Amino acid sequence: DTAVSQTPKYLVTQMGNDKSIKCEQNLGHDTMYWYKQDSKKFLKIMFSYNNKELIINETVPNRFSPKSPDKAHLNLHINSLELGDSAVYFCASSQITSGYTFGSGTRLTVV
Amino acid sequence: GENVEQHPSTLSVQEGDSAVIKCTYSDSASNYFPWYKQELGKGPQLIIDIRSNVGEKKDQRIAVTLNKTAKHFSLHITETQPEDSAVYFCAASKGNQGGKLIFGQGTELSVKP
Repeated sequence: DTAVSQTPKYLVTQMGNDKSIKCEQNLGHDTMYWYKQDSKKFLKIMFSYNNKELIINETVPNRFSPKSPDKAHLNLHINSLELGDSAVYFCASSQITSGYTFGSGTRLTVV
Repeated sequence: GENVEQHPSTLSVQEGDSAVIKCTYSDSASNYFPWYKQELGKGPQLIIDIRSNVGEKKDQRIAVTLNKTAKHFSLHITETQPEDSAVYFCAASKGNQGGKLIFGQGTELSVKP
C-alpha cells in the first residue's frame, strides 16, 4: 500500500492549459504539502495544509490553487500553464515536527 | 529569511570509503534537522533526523552530528556501497505549525565500485 500517492506521474501539456495533480495519503497524518523541485533539484515549499486548513502559501502565483477536501487529500490545480511551471511537483505529508513522507512526484512539462 | 546551505554539491568516493556532507542553517530557532535520500525518478526518503536537544545520532552506517552554537549539522556515511549513490538533502525546521522544512541545495553522491 503506497503511503503517499500522487497522480499522474507524468504530465505533458501546452502553454495556457489548465491541469490538476492529485495527492492522497493513508498515513493518518494531519499536515500535507506541495513542493516544487526545479531542474537543479532544489526543493521549495509551495503550500501546506493542516486538517484541511491552509497554513503556508509561499508567494506562489495565483494560478496555483491547492484544494484539500479532507485531511487525506491535497490536490493542486494550475491555471494558464507557463513554460516556467515545468518541474517535478512533490506531495508530502507529516505529523507536525516529524519527518515528511513524500510521494513519487509528478513531472510536469509545459510545451 | 531562513536559509540552509549544503556542501559539497557533488561527491565521488570509492566503495568502502566514508562520505561526509555538511550543512549550515541561518535561523537559530530551528530545532529539527532531517536528512533525505533521493534516488533517480523517486521522491525524497527520510534516512535519519536529529533534534536540537541531541548532539549526535547513529543508525547503522549513517550518523548525523549537530553543532547548535555554530549552526552546523553533518551527515556521515561509513563503508559506502554503490547503492548509496543518490542525491542527499539536508533540511531544517522550526517545528512550528505546518512543519515547514527548508531544504539545502542537495549533494549528488557517487560511490564507485
